[in-house]
Amino acid sequence: AQSVTQLGSHVSVSEGALVLLRCNYSSSVPPYLFWYVQYPNQGLQLLLKYTSAATLVKGINGFEAEFKKSETSFHLTKPSAHMSDAAEYFCAVSTNAGGTSYGKLTFGQGTILTVHP
Amino acid sequence: DSGVTQTPKHLITATGQRVTLRCSPRSGDLSVYWYQQSLDQGLQFLIQYYNGEERAKGNILERFSAQQFPDLHSELNLSSLELGDSALYFCASSVDVGYGYTFGSGTRLTVV
Repeated sequence: AQSVTQLGSHVSVSEGALVLLRCNYSSSVPPYLFWYVQYPNQGLQLLLKYTSAATLVKGINGFEAEFKKSETSFHLTKPSAHMSDAAEYFCAVSTNAGGTSYGKLTFGQGTILTVHP
Repeated sequence: DSGVTQTPKHLITATGQRVTLRCSPRSGDLSVYWYQQSLDQGLQFLIQYYNGEERAKGNILERFSAQQFPDLHSELNLSSLELGDSALYFCASSVDVGYGYTFGSGTRLTVV
């Protein structure tokens, strides 16, 4: 079974400050890891993904995440927050293992990011 | 436009009724997934289809059913609706596991 835990349901930062959203995963096989962003009244948009290539992954809008197997973590960062980054962020895990979990994305509970002027 | 089309965008219906949500996947994607998003449960996986066949089931109620047609579009049928079924229902599609999903903009269902 696979699972994702996002630490902190709400994170608040000032504009220009570092953004750090935490994600820990559990998977019995090598995982694929994803970060999605959801703006109000919209669907989920893929920010970035880790699929066993480089451990530091760069995504859209200046976000990046680092896969750390020893810590089972995949934290999302952005050096300087912008007002437009305010949204809800979801970490998700998937695997290519066989059986009923194949291809299924399991999501964390989400972290709402607020950016103050 | 993500390439995944969901209709309708909004749906208001009464308890006990039945509704059908429709999803057209992104061109070339064979897998379709349905998710329910609510404030208390978060994003819950309902069901997956791959090229017309059911591949995986998640927390889908017996009152709910789905299918994927030969042209790869999918429908989610919700019957005997209850107030607690009010939620956002998302469809997503993918070409392969490692590519993640492309999500539609969702159908907001309100049961009154």
